[in-house]
Amino acid sequence: ELKVEQNPLFLSMQEGKNYTIYCNYSTTSDRLYWYRQDPGKSLESLFVLLSNGAVKQEGRLMASLDTKARLSTLHITAAVHDLSATYFCAVDKGTASKLTFGTGTRLQVTL
Amino acid sequence: GAVVSQHPSRVICKSGTSVKIECRSLDFQATTMFWYRQFPKKSLMLMATSNEGSKATYEQGVEKDKFLINHASLTLSTLTVTSAHPEDSSFYICSARSGELRYTFGSGTRLTVV
Repeated sequence: ELKVEQNPLFLSMQEGKNYTIYCNYSTTSDRLYWYRQDPGKSLESLFVLLSNGAVKQEGRLMASLDTKARLSTLHITAAVHDLSATYFCAVDKGTASKLTFGTGTRLQVTL
Repeated sequence: GAVVSQHPSRVICKSGTSVKIECRSLDFQATTMFWYRQFPKKSLMLMATSNEGSKATYEQGVEKDKFLINHASLTLSTLTVTSAHPEDSSFYICSARSGELRYTFGSGTRLTVV
């Protein structure tokens, strides 16, 4: 059974600081996704990572994938309040498969 | 881009009644849709995979007679919560595979059973 774990579960950080969220998964996977969820809202797609060593960046967020370690990271650079949300990673194993979500990391950026 | 429309966004119903939630792919065909349930401050839990023209595949522990799924067309899947109870109150989210690499999510339905 595929298990996906994130840490930390909760992260409080000051504006301007850097931090990393970690996503570990238990079996081999074809794709790794990162999503953002605001309170009471649905999911917003951030990144799709397809291969070992893949790195993608959008604004203050950068995601990477190490398939050998079964680890993905979401790095936040110089956090701003607008980044406060819950971030989920998710993995799937191909077109006939389904997404398995991580536990989620609730990020709170304080002024 | 691909859009998935989910309705209603909020619904309050009495115990014992049934509630139907619709999920439509607006600009693409979705042979497969997914239904998730999310409790407050928790992750998304996959309930079932909805396949157009065939029976849904339910995850272990999900009662198929309680959560009826119908996927009668390539653009519409419905989830009916039958004989709802307060413990069914939750946030329900649908999703569709909108490309080989992409999943698009509906806006979610907040169900409250009183």
